[in-house]
Amino acid sequence: EAGVTQFPSHSVIEKGQTVTLRCDPISGHDNLYWYRRVMGKEIKFLLHFVKESKQDESGMPNNRFLAERTGGTYSTLKVQPAELEDSGVYFCASSLGPHEKLFFGSGTQLSVL
Amino acid sequence: GENVEQHPSTLSVQEGDSAVIKCTYSDSASNYFPWYKQELGKGPQLIIDIRSNVGEKKDQRIAVTLNKTAKHFSLHITETQPEDSAVYFCAARTGGTSYGKLTFGQGTILTVHP
Repeated sequence: EAGVTQFPSHSVIEKGQTVTLRCDPISGHDNLYWYRRVMGKEIKFLLHFVKESKQDESGMPNNRFLAERTGGTYSTLKVQPAELEDSGVYFCASSLGPHEKLFFGSGTQLSVL
Repeated sequence: GENVEQHPSTLSVQEGDSAVIKCTYSDSASNYFPWYKQELGKGPQLIIDIRSNVGEKKDQRIAVTLNKTAKHFSLHITETQPEDSAVYFCAARTGGTSYGKLTFGQGTILTVHP
């Protein structure tokens, strides 16, 4: 069974540009999460989808970030326009149920220059 | 909200020694405490977890202990091997409206010297 897949693995963009990250959760996992690790600090929660609905988006830093999960399958996270402080590793995770184990993808390393 | 503190930030041991990483949490409602191992270029991988109704859990060379009264939990790795070298993260999950959210510690870089 495939794990959580993220694309791209690396992205280098200039300040002001737009970037879209994609996450494919483990098949059958209704719960999908986005996390971010900036500058070697702790991994921070961004948001939680249950199927296509946003259950908790309390960690989204500002309105430059837009997450979608149309159809309740894969999810995208768009940053528009990107700022220098958005650089970091963006992780996606999924779980079968909200109280179950989270499985993480390998992450997308985003560098904003 | 929940806050998780993790210590030490770096840990260096000789192969065969034991390693202990400690975390404290602030929200007494937290009820699930996983530990993740992250190797270079990979995502965090769950290595062991414990729920609040259990005081200790062991899986081969890895064990986790939980003290709910003191609000701290620890990861113990015995007979360390070079392949144990990685970044380790503790986390806590609280119920309520953010029932799916994990709050992570800052991470511990473990280096095991052959």
